[in-house]
Amino acid sequence: GAVVSQHPSRVICKSGTSVKIECRSLDFQATTMFWYRQFPKKSLMLMATSNEGSKATYEQGVEKDKFLINHASLTLSTLTVTSAHPEDSSFYICSARTPWGDSTDTQYFGPGTRLTVL
Amino acid sequence: GQQVMQIPQYQHVQEGEDFTTYCNSSTTLSNIQWYKQRPGGHPVFLIQLVKSGEVKKQKRLTFQFGEAKKNSSLHITATQTTDVGTYFCAGNNAGGTSYGKLTFGQGTILTVHP
Repeated sequence: GAVVSQHPSRVICKSGTSVKIECRSLDFQATTMFWYRQFPKKSLMLMATSNEGSKATYEQGVEKDKFLINHASLTLSTLTVTSAHPEDSSFYICSARTPWGDSTDTQYFGPGTRLTVL
Repeated sequence: GQQVMQIPQYQHVQEGEDFTTYCNSSTTLSNIQWYKQRPGGHPVFLIQLVKSGEVKKQKRLTFQFGEAKKNSSLHITATQTTDVGTYFCAGNNAGGTSYGKLTFGQGTILTVHP
């Protein structure tokens, strides 16, 4: 269980275009999903918390109009990078928080999306 | 805000040697999680520690959570080439509105020479 998929796995786009990334929990319902950004050989930086049916909570310094998040169902969250520029090139990873277990709040990660903006 | 420091940043070992990575949080944690990320891959959940002083083992991996719930360690005994990757600790804040958010350490990149 606890499988998270992400699509696309890789995308190359021209500067100024918008790119949508999907994150799906395949075998469980996730009321909360998280979006991270990772630079090469660096740690994961939390961008925002996506809550089903409500607005996302963005971390300090992350532009909400630049990175649009929609969590329309219990199994799907989307991140749209609007008007992408080369500095937006990065590895974007989503995670979904499992609703079960005594441990609580374990996050399972999707395989990531590598975005390259030309 | 909460910070999680992880050392060392890099560790090169010969196959068969032991390896340890350490995490220290600036605040008390409700729990700490460990992840492994292979080169080119995504973080894979290894384990979660919840209780003060907790020790858990997974084959050659031993995880510890400090008594004050502010530090943790991962120890690998007799490393193998399959252990190569980046190991991240991630702290879960103790209560408050940010509960459930993970703060990741910087990661330790482990290379194992055969």
